[in-house]
Amino acid sequence: QSVLTQPPSVSGAPGQRVTFSCTGSSSNIGAGYDVHWYQQLPGTAPKLLIYGNNNRPSGVPDRFSGSKSGTSASLAITGLQAEDEADYYCQSYDSSLSGWVFGGGTKLTVL
Amino acid sequence: QLQLQESGPGLVKPSETLSLTCTVSGGSISSSSYYWGWIRQPPGKGLEWIGSIYYSGSTYYNPSLKSRVTISVDTSNNQFSVKLSSVTAADTAVYYCARVYCTGGNCYLGDYYFDYWGQGTLVTVSS
Repeated sequence: QSVLTQPPSVSGAPGQRVTFSCTGSSSNIGAGYDVHWYQQLPGTAPKLLIYGNNNRPSGVPDRFSGSKSGTSASLAITGLQAEDEADYYCQSYDSSLSGWVFGGGTKLTVL
Repeated sequence: QLQLQESGPGLVKPSETLSLTCTVSGGSISSSSYYWGWIRQPPGKGLEWIGSIYYSGSTYYNPSLKSRVTISVDTSNNQFSVKLSSVTAADTAVYYCARVYCTGGNCYLGDYYFDYWGQGTLVTVSS
């Protein structure tokens, strides 16, 4: 059981907008710690997608955006493309565990 | 461009110790701006943070693995390593090393994220 909760799957048609939720608690997201997002394409290592809640590393398209509110965070993808089909993980820090934590991941299927 | 590469045995027997090394190229492991970390992913499952180390040697471990994990750093060879003792089949996973970074100065642990990753190495625990 992951400290950060993500839905197992999300799907959308090309061109649509999809969102991914990441729910934490008062010892992680709710404590004000930043949320970061990673994209893992099949058979590859995770790649940093969003850092500091809503910042994109160089090279990440502006179709990807992040937000945080209370004990939850969200990742949104607009203009969905077939190449976006991947697993998406949120990550934060947990003060109770004194360490970094990941969500269980959400698999995106592009219909 | 920073690169990280994991190396070590792909097969470990139950009850033995898993040992992996991450070699960092394209940058110094001794920078005061980063931590270095290990993350694992069992087949078909999600990511699990194992632990992280600063170039000075200070470490942070996942409480669920803390009794079995040791992470060390070798600044002379720009490497850091992980040892996991008393392994079982549940430790079978792809093991990733990563740089743990934060933007700006005066960072708290909660500000850090994993910005560069190795390609990962599969370690199977089996007799």
